[in-house]
Amino acid sequence: AQRVTQPEKLLSVFKGAPVELKCNYSYSGSPELFWYVQYSRQRLQLLLRHISRESIKGFTADLNKGETSFHLKKPFAQEEDSAMYYCALNLDGETSGSRLTFGEGTQLTVNP
Amino acid sequence: KAGVTQTPRYLIKTRGQQVTLSCSPISGHRSVSWYQQTPGQGLQFLFEYFSETQRNKGNFPGRFSGRQFSNSRSEMNVSTLELGDSALYLCASSLTLGQGNGYTFGSGTRLTVV
Repeated sequence: AQRVTQPEKLLSVFKGAPVELKCNYSYSGSPELFWYVQYSRQRLQLLLRHISRESIKGFTADLNKGETSFHLKKPFAQEEDSAMYYCALNLDGETSGSRLTFGEGTQLTVNP
Repeated sequence: KAGVTQTPRYLIKTRGQQVTLSCSPISGHRSVSWYQQTPGQGLQFLFEYFSETQRNKGNFPGRFSGRQFSNSRSEMNVSTLELGDSALYLCASSLTLGQGNGYTFGSGTRLTVV
């Protein structure tokens, strides 16, 4: 069955340090993966999608099909990066719909 | 342009009652999905609507239902409320169905069942 695992519920780093939020998935098909972020008192918003291979706010994520991972990385963390981060796997529905399976989320805290 | 709008923001209901939540997608977005967020289960998919048809359904009991109108606005209904239905219900819209379309989420409706 499809599953998304974020092994770290909490992650704390200092400003300027590199940060990596881990995400592993299990899915027999061709995966489509996203990272969503929720800042304090704000709505859940899309950060990255693997298909576009873009860098948003300095974050990047590479899909590694061999390791079934989609880790989120940033070389130099900033205090404003403190938020809850969710990795999500998009599954095609029976009638070309879609549904996201979310990981449990990682709360990132960047300390000054 | 206006984002995804969910009403009401907060709701308190009693066990056994039913509730209807509303979602207005971003203008031009035709797909609306619903998710339930709880501390214990995290974010779970409820259903997805496109062109007034349910295209996808999660693993929730039949007490949870929804519909979509011709203007793409969507409602979800929960009947015979249980304490465990207390959650943040999120609506998300996207342009179309299928892969490659990131969702835009609303702020959610916080439902408390007492």
